[in-house]
Amino acid sequence: GAGVSQSPSNKVTEKGKDVELRCDPISGHTALYWYRQRLGQGLEFLIYFQGNSAPDKSGLPSDRFSAERTGESVSTLTIQRTQQEDSAVYLCASSSPAGDRNQPQHFGDGTRLSIL
Amino acid sequence: AQSVTQLDSQVPVFEEAPVELRCNYSSSVSVYLFWYVQYPNQGLQLLLKYLSGSTLVKGINGFEAEFNKSQTSFHLRKPSVHISDTAEYFCAVRRSSYDKVIFGPGTSLSVIP
Repeated sequence: GAGVSQSPSNKVTEKGKDVELRCDPISGHTALYWYRQRLGQGLEFLIYFQGNSAPDKSGLPSDRFSAERTGESVSTLTIQRTQQEDSAVYLCASSSPAGDRNQPQHFGDGTRLSIL
Repeated sequence: AQSVTQLDSQVPVFEEAPVELRCNYSSSVSVYLFWYVQYPNQGLQLLLKYLSGSTLVKGINGFEAEFNKSQTSFHLRKPSVHISDTAEYFCAVRRSSYDKVIFGPGTSLSVIP
């Protein structure tokens, strides 16, 4: 079946522009996560959705970052007034609660964002 | 708060040699543990997971990991590595089904021909 899909796969934009990154989770997965991975570094948690609500937004680095999810499916991560330090790969993952058994996250291939 | 430590940022190993990638975690409650692999320019794939039961967990591609509660460790092992195992490996913990996953900083495994 289809996995987690992210678009665009690559995005190059000028400093100061706004960007919107999209994540389509696996159908039926109620949990959705956004991570940032800078070059040569580990995953930095940004935000977590359970359904349409976001119980944990603690990882969003500044008020320039926001995310929303509608219909318990697609999520968009928006970065306003981009800065060069925003350059990274943005990874999305989804998982299913599947009752009382923990389920792993399924990752998309990421969006590689480059700020000039 | 939970945290994950991967002490080795880079591990070079010769082809067909054994390898162990170390992972230690800290948490005041029981956790679920995972190992993920990331190949160049790709997302993460699940290698294996520990939820409960047997402390030795077998995953894909010949990898296994052992949960040690007293040492709060979940080291990843493979008896004989291949060139194709060259990748970044991430250890991760999660408190419950409805909680975020915390990742370690990753270990870069380089298999030398």
